[in-house]
Amino acid sequence: DAMVIQNPRYQVTQFGKPVTLSCSQTLNHNVMYWYQQKSSQAPKLLFHYYDKDFNNEADTPDNFQSRRPNTSFCFLDIRSPGLGDAAMYLCATSRDPNVGQPQHFGDGTRLSIL
Amino acid sequence: AQSVTQLGSHVSVSEGALVLLRCNYSSSVPPYLFWYVQYPNQGLQLLLKYTTGATLVKGINGFEAEFKKSETSFHLTKPSAHMSDAAEYFCAVSVFTGGGNKLTFGTGTQLKVEL
Repeated sequence: DAMVIQNPRYQVTQFGKPVTLSCSQTLNHNVMYWYQQKSSQAPKLLFHYYDKDFNNEADTPDNFQSRRPNTSFCFLDIRSPGLGDAAMYLCATSRDPNVGQPQHFGDGTRLSIL
Repeated sequence: AQSVTQLGSHVSVSEGALVLLRCNYSSSVPPYLFWYVQYPNQGLQLLLKYTTGATLVKGINGFEAEFKKSETSFHLTKPSAHMSDAAEYFCAVSVFTGGGNKLTFGTGTQLKVEL
């Protein structure tokens, strides 16, 4: 089945130690998104790629970066994780950027900070 | 700015009873609305969407939602709850932003189904 796959499902890192989360998709969708979801809260968009064009949300901390080396893969880099960055990180895709296109989500990576 | 508001952070129903989860939207243009479900430690799964056309939208797992412009509402219903429906439900509105469509979510409603 075509899908959005996130690895790893659970990630533990130390305070200040860089960490990378990965997302791959077999849907061949043009747009990929990263959301942060803290406990008992709604997902919050961090940034997204339309093809190779990167779009950052205004309130996304500089600590968060992203790379999309090709259509299938997208990475979330957290340069110096703080305790407040512990959350579920969700990757999503949509076929195109038109309003109304549904987004397809992976199962997320739960990040813990020691 | 477009937004959605979900009334009731927790809803509890008996198995077999009607499920009603409320969502109201705020938008100056015709909205595109979605309902997603999230099971514990999983991503979000699309239940249904409203774009244009028929105001009664049918989704997966027996859920449906009705778009009511006069009430600015998009409530989610299911005639008969099943234990497997216990999950968190998010209403969302799609907004175009700088090269992609952005989902703005409501705060979510946790549905509990009791025997």
